Amino acid sequence: SYELTQPFSVSVALGQTARITCGGNNIGDKNVHWYQQKPGQAPVLLIYRDINRPSGIPDRFSGSNSGNTATLTISRAQAGDEADYYCQVWDATVVFGGGTKLTVL
Amino acid sequence: EVQVVESGGGLVQPGRSLRLSCVASGFTFEEYAMHWVRQAPGKGPEWVSGIGWNSVSIVYADSVKGRFTISRDNAKNSLSLQMNSLGPEDTAIYYCAKDERRYSTIWGPFDCWGLGTLVTVSS
Repeated sequence: SYELTQPFSVSVALGQTARITCGGNNIGDKNVHWYQQKPGQAPVLLIYRDINRPSGIPDRFSGSNSGNTATLTISRAQAGDEADYYCQVWDATVVFGGGTKLTVL
Repeated sequence: EVQVVESGGGLVQPGRSLRLSCVASGFTFEEYAMHWVRQAPGKGPEWVSGIGWNSVSIVYADSVKGRFTISRDNAKNSLSLQMNSLGPEDTAIYYCAKDERRYSTIWGPFDCWGLGTLVTVSS
């Protein structure tokens, strides 16, 4: 079965740029989606099909995908960005990454 | 407003059954694949099962195959999950989630999630 690998945690200074990776075999050939989940809340779609933002998602959030790594980039990080972030792909089933906890220092 | 609302969770003994329901509103339910995703305490989301817009495509995670059954009633804008032979490993919040594209055959992303319903399997 297809596996997605995310770092357990990422830290970023307030106002700086955070990058969260999602690794998978030839993931660049797949559509990658990203979700943000805050404590006690359901996941929220953040980026879909690698680079697209749903309406209402700030342009501080962006995505890229190539080779064996997809990346979620959070620019000008804010305290409110502290959350868990999950990548997801379709590989005959729906696959989620293990998640990355973002801490804003 | 696009919305899905889950119900049916609760405390159940190991080996017993439970049926979850999800009611959708604010979109043309019959055009979208729907999914159940669960999240165990302190863990990430785990996709459980999905059903295509016309119920032709149905897929289960290996962890629930043979025990869980997903179904939908497009006339009632509803999605269900029949869970049998429950074990402690099934303890989780269960979310109903809507696929983003109409008539999709490649599932995901999920652009609408409910608040979830908690299932606790314990004696």
